Amino acid sequence: QQPVQSPQAVILREGEDAVINCSSSKALYSVHWYRQKHGEAPVFLMILLKGGEQKGHEKISASFNEKKQQSSLYLTASQLSYSGTYFCGTDSGGGADGLTFGKGTHLIIQP
Amino acid sequence: DGGITQSPKYLFRKEGQNVTLSCEQNLNHDAMYWYRQDPGQGLRLIYYSQIVNDFQKGDIAEGYSVSREKKESFPLTVTSAQKNPTAFYLCASSPNSYGYTFGSGTRLTVV
Repeated sequence: QQPVQSPQAVILREGEDAVINCSSSKALYSVHWYRQKHGEAPVFLMILLKGGEQKGHEKISASFNEKKQQSSLYLTASQLSYSGTYFCGTDSGGGADGLTFGKGTHLIIQP
Repeated sequence: DGGITQSPKYLFRKEGQNVTLSCEQNLNHDAMYWYRQDPGQGLRLIYYSQIVNDFQKGDIAEGYSVSREKKESFPLTVTSAQKNPTAFYLCASSPNSYGYTFGSGTRLTVV
């Protein structure tokens, strides 16, 4: 089942903070976060693994609540370059069976 | 530099025609994936392969076929059985327990 992302869209002024949430009805092994700009490929931001391990870009922070099967991506002091669509991808199997992606959160940063 | 190359960038298909999308990677990743992206739908998994000469159906495999004869290559054929093939197709690869690297995508249009 597809994870649910919220909000669907958010508009910020440069320098403001945002939180994007991802919720699944299935037990998760890992959660991935990606950012996609219009017409381009998604770019990997972070992976959060069951047990607390995290890998990804140093300037990105996120959390993973294993009991609630929820993850949140925290964007602080937003910059114009943060604009794009953010997707979470969930993995329930722990192998290489492919991620199930949410429908995305559109983030617009205004100067 | 290592990465994933998808070609062509744009592809036009006539009714009843089979077309093949190319995906090549030089990252030495074992796992490769094909996703379809439609507006507002996120990314949906078509096929994936964890090793050479083996591949598995994803959530929307009907009307598509793949092969994995070499580690570097994972071509996708959109057959005439796929009734609504117009979409943005993304190929990705990954090592275990880390993020995906996506290609730049192929935009397929039925004419």
